[in-house]
Formats: sequence, C-alpha cells, structure tokens
Amino acid sequence: DAGVIQSPRHEVTEMGQEVTLRCKPISGHNSLFWYRQTMMRGLELLIYFNNNVPIDDSGMPEDRFSAKMPNASFSTLKIQPSEPRDSAVYFCASSLGVTFSYEQYFGPGTRLTVT
Amino acid sequence: RKEVEQDPGPFNVPEGATVAFNCTYSNSASQSFFWYRQDCRKEPKLLMSVYSSGNEDGRFTAQLNRASQYISLLIRDSKLSDSATYLCVVNRDKLIFGTGTRLQVFP
Repeated sequence: DAGVIQSPRHEVTEMGQEVTLRCKPISGHNSLFWYRQTMMRGLELLIYFNNNVPIDDSGMPEDRFSAKMPNASFSTLKIQPSEPRDSAVYFCASSLGVTFSYEQYFGPGTRLTVT
Repeated sequence: RKEVEQDPGPFNVPEGATVAFNCTYSNSASQSFFWYRQDCRKEPKLLMSVYSSGNEDGRFTAQLNRASQYISLLIRDSKLSDSATYLCVVNRDKLIFGTGTRLQVFP
C-alpha cells in the first residue's frame, strides 16, 4: 500500500521565490497535517484539515504561508515569498480519524533550502 | 520553557544494554501520550502509545505518571537497529513533539 506521498523531496530556491510543496495522503484518511521540523524548534504543527476543511492554522508562521486541500487526495503548502529562515524539513501526515488520538502516518518530507 | 522536554542525548550504549529515556510535559490538560521513532533523515513513525497503567510491546516499556507529568520509555536488550531519535509526544488537542533523544547502540 502506498503511504503518504510528498513532492518534491528536495527544493533549493532563492529568497523571494515562491515555493509549493505537495502532498497526497493515504487513501481513505480523513485528516491531513502539515508540520515543519528544524533543529532548534523540533517538529511543529503548521495546519491541519479534517475532511478537506482547514480546522486550525494557528501554527502557520505568517501570511507568507498558505495551505489548500482542494480534494481528499491532494494538498499544497505554499510559501510566497520565501526567506532563508523558512529552510527546514516539511512533513505531511495523514490519519484515519478526526482527532489526534489516531495514529498519524508521515510522508518522507520535503527538505527546503532557501538561499 | 518548552511544553515537552527531553534530554537530547546522545545515549551511547552497547548491544544488549537496557536504556531509559524520560520526558516531562508542562500542560496538565494533555490527553494522550505517545513515543515516536525517527531515523536519521527519515520521517517520524509511531513506536507506541503510553497508557496510565503502563504498557509493554516486546522489548519496549512505556510508563506515564500524570501526577508528576512524566513519561518514560525503557528499551531492554538494545539492538543496533534501535539506533534512532525517540520523540516524546503529547496530545493537547494537537500533537506537541519533544525535540527528541538520540540513541546510538554500538556493537
């Protein structure tokens, strides 16, 4: 069975450019999560969706970040304009249920470097 | 102060050793608890949930002390393949991850 799929796996871009990260959750899962991981701050929840509806985006750092989930099988996280401090690994995860008690399955991550 | 605190390690132990990791959390409203494992440059994966009565999964034992707001993970008979970072995770209407404890098992 396919797990959570993320693309691209690596992205190097210059400051000021737009970056779009993509995620395909596990089929049948109702919840999708976007996380960011850095050495200093660890893994942080940015936003999550239940049944394609954004529920909590309080973790989104600022207006430069936006996320969409147009259907049950696809989500994007966009950064515009990107800054060097956005460099991190961005993980997408999905789960079967709509509460945090359900196991979350993580994708392989996108390693973003902004120069 | 971070909401979930862990000793970053690294813990360097020989094969066959027993090793214990501790974690403290600051929000008493936390509802459920987990240990995740993350291999180098890989995604986190659920290792086990942590229940108030304590629970065991093979060589792994997890304990929760709600009064002290303390979670532990014990690994017995360490294997080389146990080398990874172990993340303590608390559910407080969202998952709050500790920054992890790194374990290195050597031959």
